[in-house]
Amino acid sequence: QVQLQESGPGLVKPSQTLSLTCTVSGGSISSGGYYWNWIRQNPGKGLEWIGYIYHTGSTYSDPSLNSRVAMSVDTSKNQLSLKLNSVTAADTAVYYCARVNSGAMDIWGQGTMVTVSS
Amino acid sequence: SYELTQPLSVSVAPGQTASVTCGGKNIGGKNVHWYQQKPGQAPVLVIYRGNNRPSGIPERFSGSNSENTATLTISRARAGDEADYYCQVWDSNSVIFGGGTKLTVL
Repeated sequence: QVQLQESGPGLVKPSQTLSLTCTVSGGSISSGGYYWNWIRQNPGKGLEWIGYIYHTGSTYSDPSLNSRVAMSVDTSKNQLSLKLNSVTAADTAVYYCARVNSGAMDIWGQGTMVTVSS
Repeated sequence: SYELTQPLSVSVAPGQTASVTCGGKNIGGKNVHWYQQKPGQAPVLVIYRGNNRPSGIPERFSGSNSENTATLTISRARAGDEADYYCQVWDSNSVIFGGGTKLTVL
């Protein structure tokens, strides 16, 4: 079955760029039909949606973040990527990737913790 | 922007029925999805498009939706149902999550 796995640095310095990858296994991103999302969760807080990307490369992100967010897809590697620039301590969170199927996030990665600190 | 309101916490005795609500303007006209998240784990989809259960989710979980409130109902609650529960909808091309409800089974 389809599985998602996030990866990337666990520590990022303030004002730098956070870069994460989500590797999809058990299925091909390029087959289409799904939106691939990024979600984060600050420690002890609720879920915050960051944005989605379609296999064609079209993206949409939350208006509160979209000036700092860049998402891309590499269908040859079956990977998604997220870049968030100008990070601050408020960006410290567990970052998840998830597949949207018929509107619902039916498959999630295990999440990766990113701490913003000097 | 669209907002979803959930109670911070709900308590239920083992074997009883728990109801977790999700309030939103005219939410009855939207597809509502529900997620369960246990400590240290990723969220898991338990109800999609109102009242549909993914494979592997017990029949004890059900959903309903009308007017301004969607409800996740957990029948015959068990200790293993203790978790945070989040509702989610789409609005204007964006994903909206409720703030989450901590369900305690005691």
